[in-house]
Amino acid sequence: GAVVSQHPSRVICKSGTSVKIECRSLDFQATTMFWYRQFPKQSLMLMATSNEGSKATYEQGVEKDKFLINHASLTLSTLTVTSAHPEDSSFYICSAGPGANSPLHFGNGTRLTVT
Amino acid sequence: GDSVTQMEGPVTLSEEAFLTINCTYTATGYPSLFWYVQYPGEGLQLLLKATKADDKGSNKGFEATYRKETTSFHLEKGSVQVSDSAVYFCALREGGGSNYKLTFGKGTLLTVNP
Repeated sequence: GAVVSQHPSRVICKSGTSVKIECRSLDFQATTMFWYRQFPKQSLMLMATSNEGSKATYEQGVEKDKFLINHASLTLSTLTVTSAHPEDSSFYICSAGPGANSPLHFGNGTRLTVT
Repeated sequence: GDSVTQMEGPVTLSEEAFLTINCTYTATGYPSLFWYVQYPGEGLQLLLKATKADDKGSNKGFEATYRKETTSFHLEKGSVQVSDSAVYFCALREGGGSNYKLTFGKGTLLTVNP
């Protein structure tokens, strides 16, 4: 079945550094991928929609200069957290699907800890 | 806008108990409805789905029926197991295809004790 791979699964970085998270669709092409952030007590927040070959669409309140999204190919989207701060510590999850009438599949998430 | 409301947890049950997690939605059109499950430390997995009114999604003993008249998609299982302990998310998607975003409920934590 459709698989979405996310890497790394965990990352610890110092405040002020940047971190890149990769999301790959392993057996299908995805023109659109979604990035979510999961807060304590489970709540999932859609951060942005990543569009292959064009700019990402950010949800209201999400800083596009802080959370850089690049969707350079039909199987890869990256989220870069720039100048990370402790408040950016969270669980980030990507999702994608093969296309029409198919459900979205999720990566296993990336636990980011900023010290 | 679209929204999903699901019962707040946590829900704690004994093994073999009956499970219901309520989910209602608000949408402008005719959405597809989903239940996702998240095991500790992992991403979300699709549990079941229904794409039109009166459809019943089922998987691993879980069921949910798309009720347009009550705008609901309640999740049920007749006999839960310890391995069902996880967070369950109800979600909807307007429009067809995976190029459309999911709108999630806040999740319900289920703990099943032996």
